[in-house]
Amino acid sequence: IAGITQAPTSQILAAGRRMTLRCTQDMRHNAMYWYRQDLGLGLRLIHYSNTAGTTGKGEVPDGYSVSRANTDDFPLTLASAVPSQTSVYFCASSPGQRSTDTQYFGPGTRLTVL
Amino acid sequence: GQNIDQPTEMTATEGAIVQINCTYQTSGFNGLFWYQQHAGEAPTFLSYNVLDGLEEKGRFSSFLSRSKGYSYLLLKELQMKDSASYLCAPMDSNYQLIWGAGTKLIIKP
Repeated sequence: IAGITQAPTSQILAAGRRMTLRCTQDMRHNAMYWYRQDLGLGLRLIHYSNTAGTTGKGEVPDGYSVSRANTDDFPLTLASAVPSQTSVYFCASSPGQRSTDTQYFGPGTRLTVL
Repeated sequence: GQNIDQPTEMTATEGAIVQINCTYQTSGFNGLFWYQQHAGEAPTFLSYNVLDGLEEKGRFSSFLSRSKGYSYLLLKELQMKDSASYLCAPMDSNYQLIWGAGTKLIIKP
């Protein structure tokens, strides 16, 4: 089934640990995004990639890094997790680069940092 | 700065009509999206407006006034499954979506 998958579904992590959230899409979309969603706030863009091999910083990039080695995968890494990174993380993709194309979302990863 | 304003919560009755308003200020404008998000799930696309006026899609319609920085989502013949959060998201000049906090819609029988 075409779409976006994310792993893990949920995770509890000790502060200071390193964690990589995985995101894979099979729609051959050019652009991919990582958002975090916190209660009472809108989705906030962490990092994005307009095409394989390029990445950019969003609104809240500090403490996070990404890579885009190929079209399908866009992992998000927390180098040293802190409690303020407790959130629900959504990966999304869209067909075009810097376009008005619709973004399609993965099911999300619920991360708790203690 | 960039700002999105929509009501935090609304309640409506099954079978009725509800209008969810959104006002926005963005750096440039490349259209406005509405998404639906059920509790514990991912946002899903509902509509996109780039020109002024009303776009109708089944029970859902979306309106845009660019000069007023205003949009609304109109839901008709409400069903219990419409209980969800509705997210307003204008796109700025860099093609980035600016997300509102969402309106939680509660449908009562």
